[in-house]
Amino acid sequence: ILNVEQSPQSLHVQEGDSTNFTCSFPSSNFYALHWYRWETAKSPEALFVMTLNGDEKKKGRISATLNTKEGYSYLYIKGSQPEDSATYLCAFIWHDKIIFGKGTRLHILP
Amino acid sequence: DGGITQSPKYLFRKEGQNVTLSCEQNLNHDAMYWYRQDPGQGLRLIYYSQIVNDFQKGDIAEGYSVSREKKESFPLTVTSAQKNPTAFYLCASSIGPGQGSNQPQHFGDGTRLSIL
Repeated sequence: ILNVEQSPQSLHVQEGDSTNFTCSFPSSNFYALHWYRWETAKSPEALFVMTLNGDEKKKGRISATLNTKEGYSYLYIKGSQPEDSATYLCAFIWHDKIIFGKGTRLHILP
Repeated sequence: DGGITQSPKYLFRKEGQNVTLSCEQNLNHDAMYWYRQDPGQGLRLIYYSQIVNDFQKGDIAEGYSVSREKKESFPLTVTSAQKNPTAFYLCASSIGPGQGSNQPQHFGDGTRLSIL
């Protein structure tokens, strides 16, 4: 059974602090990894699609790295703002299947 | 504005009834998907369709049915055979040829189904 693990499950961060969290996935037969941000009462929104080992992608204060050999991706948020409060989902693409993690719920404290 | 529209936002069903959730997209995407989310779980794939008049079962298809008569529309029917239908249902679409794609998915706002 393929498992995509996200940690931590929940995170409280002071406004202005930087933070990061992890998505772990099976390292064999990697095809792609997606990151999504899911704000309450909205639909999930794609952040990054990562395909190559060593990929680093950036969108404003948010960036992501990918290590396909060891099977993990990090999502970093620099200088957290209240609007960053959301659930961050990763999705592992493998053999024509997409498998979502359970997400990391990020709360930004004022 | 292009996007995915799910309706209704909240739906109540009596036991033994079938109910249909609507999903429409105007993104001209070929692939469409239905997911279910339960508390403490990741999104789980119910059905997906890569092209009109074709669809495949996902990981938890039992008790559900779909149709894809038009590119824009992918309705999901929750049948009385689904023993635990109370959940949050998300519809998505993508340009790519199916699940195994490096194209991101675009999601609707979801429908929350509850049993009376």
